[in-house]
Amino acid sequence: DSGVTQTPKHLITATGQRVTLRCSPRSGDLSVYWYQQSLDQGLQFLIQYYNGEERAKGNILERFSAQQFPDLHSELNLSSLELGDSALYFCASSVGQGRQPQHFGDGTRLSIL
Amino acid sequence: QQPVQSPQAVILREGEDAVINCSSSKALYSVHWYRQKHGEAPVFLMILLKGGEQKGHEKISASFNEKKQQSSLYLTASQLSYSGTYFCGTEPLGNEKLTFGTGTRLTIIP
Repeated sequence: DSGVTQTPKHLITATGQRVTLRCSPRSGDLSVYWYQQSLDQGLQFLIQYYNGEERAKGNILERFSAQQFPDLHSELNLSSLELGDSALYFCASSVGQGRQPQHFGDGTRLSIL
Repeated sequence: QQPVQSPQAVILREGEDAVINCSSSKALYSVHWYRQKHGEAPVFLMILLKGGEQKGHEKISASFNEKKQQSSLYLTASQLSYSGTYFCGTEPLGNEKLTFGTGTRLTIIP
């Protein structure tokens, strides 16, 4: 058990819709990272937050946004969903503000119909 | 640019050794290694910060040659539990983001 909690485990929705993925980091970790994993793209870094502030940005689309709240949980919002957004979305956390995630959640599988 | 991993896949018998390589086109600050089993989240294995550094975790070790911008992961006397996809993550110099390689699928058979 990594201590990172992601909800929901599965999401099935239609094109054009908007969803919110939630992540609670491991206790004591201040950094939260979001990743997208698809079969053809591998693990793609989306964004990192450290103690409520955006720390680093990766290949995150404009239709996607994220934030980290004062209690350190984070949400990833995906809007105007397209078929290509179907993927496994991982949240990870670590203690420091470095670029390396240490503890991964089990992921949210998003399926766009 | 994504680091290149080789081989893409390897099948070993239990007890055999494997080497997985990771190459970057950029000068690197650090290299990270992860293992992901099918249907599960990636698990952090180790981070290498200095050129020439070598680290180990039980029978899994890694080296980092910063001059060649390469890292290698060594799995000795492989066990069935080592099966999974191994990813390297490279962090270039100059405050750039961590980028993952395409992965190496390792299958250990009895």
